Amino acid sequence: TQLLEQSPQFLSIQEGENLTVYCNSSSVFSSLQWYRQEPGEGPVLLVTVVTGGEVKKLKRLTFQFGDARKDSSLHITAAQPGDTGLYLCAGAKSGGSNYKLTFGKGTLLTVNP
Amino acid sequence: DAMVIQNPRYQVTQFGKPVTLSCSQTLNHNVMYWYQQKSSQAPKLLFHYYDKDFNNEADTPDNFQSRRPNTSFCFLDIRSPGLGDAAMYLCATSRNSGGRETQYFGPGTRLLVL
Repeated sequence: TQLLEQSPQFLSIQEGENLTVYCNSSSVFSSLQWYRQEPGEGPVLLVTVVTGGEVKKLKRLTFQFGDARKDSSLHITAAQPGDTGLYLCAGAKSGGSNYKLTFGKGTLLTVNP
Repeated sequence: DAMVIQNPRYQVTQFGKPVTLSCSQTLNHNVMYWYQQKSSQAPKLLFHYYDKDFNNEADTPDNFQSRRPNTSFCFLDIRSPGLGDAAMYLCATSRNSGGRETQYFGPGTRLLVL
């Protein structure tokens, strides 16, 4: 069973602070996707990373895929209340079950004004 | 602009009364997925279609069925909903089923079983 461990599970910070959330596995993934989900809504794709060592930036969000494609991190600079939500990482593997995303349990981020 | 549309957004049904949830997509993607997400948990894949080819996950209860009459539409049928089936149901699509394909989610249908 492939597991994606996300940490921390909960994070409450003040507006303007920086934060990093982590997504770790012992398995290798072909790609890893980060989503943000707000209460009562579906996950919204933020980024897909596919190459080991890849870094992608989306405004104040920086995503990194580990060199061995087993882990990823999301760093948010100067967090804002609009960043509040559940951040999910999901990995896809190559091979027979390559349609299947393995989801982490998410990091619930609250940014207080 | 909506690419994956789910209707209704909220559905209330009675214990044991069949219910159908709807998903449509404007992306012309080959693959459509149905997930169940319970409170504070990750989405759990129920089944998916690659075109007309249906693929059921091994642990999906028989109570859950799906239909895909054409590329754009996919339905989730719950034959006899139980209290434990109350959840958010998410539809997603991807262009193909390769390991580097991105899945795009709809807004979800929240199901309440009374």
